[in-house]
Amino acid sequence: GENVEQHPSTLSVQEGDSAVIKCTYSDSASNYFPWYKQELGKRPQLIIDIRSNVGEKKDQRIAVTLNKTAKHFSLHITETQPEDSAVYFCAASKGGFKTIFGAGTRLFVKA
Amino acid sequence: DGGITQSPKYLFRKEGQNVTLSCEQNLNHDAMYWYRQDPGQGLRLIYYSQIVNDFQKGDIAEGYSVSREKKESFPLTVTSAQKNPTAFYLCASSISGTGAHEQYFGPGTRLTVT
Repeated sequence: GENVEQHPSTLSVQEGDSAVIKCTYSDSASNYFPWYKQELGKRPQLIIDIRSNVGEKKDQRIAVTLNKTAKHFSLHITETQPEDSAVYFCAASKGGFKTIFGAGTRLFVKA
Repeated sequence: DGGITQSPKYLFRKEGQNVTLSCEQNLNHDAMYWYRQDPGQGLRLIYYSQIVNDFQKGDIAEGYSVSREKKESFPLTVTSAQKNPTAFYLCASSISGTGAHEQYFGPGTRLTVT
């Protein structure tokens, strides 16, 4: 069935370093790829998304890349800060109302 | 921090009892969703509703029921048939239309069944 795999499950970086989280999806019809950030005890919130007609999207320190051929997409956070510490979820959707989420990556940014 | 609200934040129940979780949104969204979040498993879809008086099963609907009598409200009932109900439950909403859209999440309800 439809599946989104996310790696790594835990990531620890030094403040100022970059962090990369990778996801692969199984359904080639997927065309919308959002990334959500969930801080401890809070609700998930969208931080960036990309659609299948775009290969890369940037928003300040955050960027997402999409490789449709390989069915991979990645989140890149540059110049990490302690407030970036959270759980990050990737997801894939092909329209309609069903979104498949990855299992999440817990990011620790050490000051 | 309005938009979509869930109540209560924490809920404790004895095994064998049904319990209803509340979800309300004032975003004028047509679509609403219920997810279950367990450690290390991401978000799994329980039910979703595209429009009032209509809803569809998600991947893990067994032991759950929903209703959608009003656009703003999408309550979830966890029945005694749900074998492992202890979890964090998230409600979400999104606009409708063609293509997929951002989902807005509520703050969640943590249910503990003993």
